[in-house]
Amino acid sequence: DVKVTQSSRYLVKRTGEKVFLECVQDMDHENMFWYRQDPGLGLRLIYFSYDVKMKEKGDIPEGYSVSREKKERFSLILESASTNQTSMYLCATGGSYEQYFGPGTRLTVT
Amino acid sequence: KQEVTQIPAALSVPEGENLVLNCSFTDSAIYNLQWFRQDPGKGLTSLLLIQSSQREQTSGRLNASLDKSSGRSTLYIAASQPGDSATYLCAVISGGSYIPTFGRGTSLIVHP
Repeated sequence: DVKVTQSSRYLVKRTGEKVFLECVQDMDHENMFWYRQDPGLGLRLIYFSYDVKMKEKGDIPEGYSVSREKKERFSLILESASTNQTSMYLCATGGSYEQYFGPGTRLTVT
Repeated sequence: KQEVTQIPAALSVPEGENLVLNCSFTDSAIYNLQWFRQDPGKGLTSLLLIQSSQREQTSGRLNASLDKSSGRSTLYIAASQPGDSATYLCAVISGGSYIPTFGRGTSLIVHP
């Protein structure tokens, strides 16, 4: 079974802090994705990566950056957290066009 | 640009009913369609994947069908149970991309 893990289930940070969310997959998939999910807005793609050190912006990259130094690990970075980044963050990995999701991180920025 | 719509947005049914959730997409040139389940506060769990050459997939009480020409997929849940209560999302991967397009989901409540 594919396993996708995220570093935290719940996280509370203060405005202005730098926040790191990590995602690890064990299936050797090339593609990894970061989404945020908000009520009424559905899933929105922040960034994705199709290979180590490669990244592409999704629909809402502003205020975020990513890092992929190893194939199995994809990190999402909030450079200076703001209250409008309070959300559920979901990591996903994909092989042959099928996606597998991690458990999610509920981030609250106060 | 691919658009995915799920109707209804919410559904409440008594236990034991057979039910159908709908997913429609605007561009029929798809690689596959995937159905997910999401429990409150959790990640998405993959239920069924239908590749473009397939017409349906089955897993237990779940059956998903795909009609590419009409841009539709249905998820059929037989003999619904309270444990089926969750949000169900469909996602389509279109030709030329490995980035899926998600619907907004159908929120299902099965009451005893």
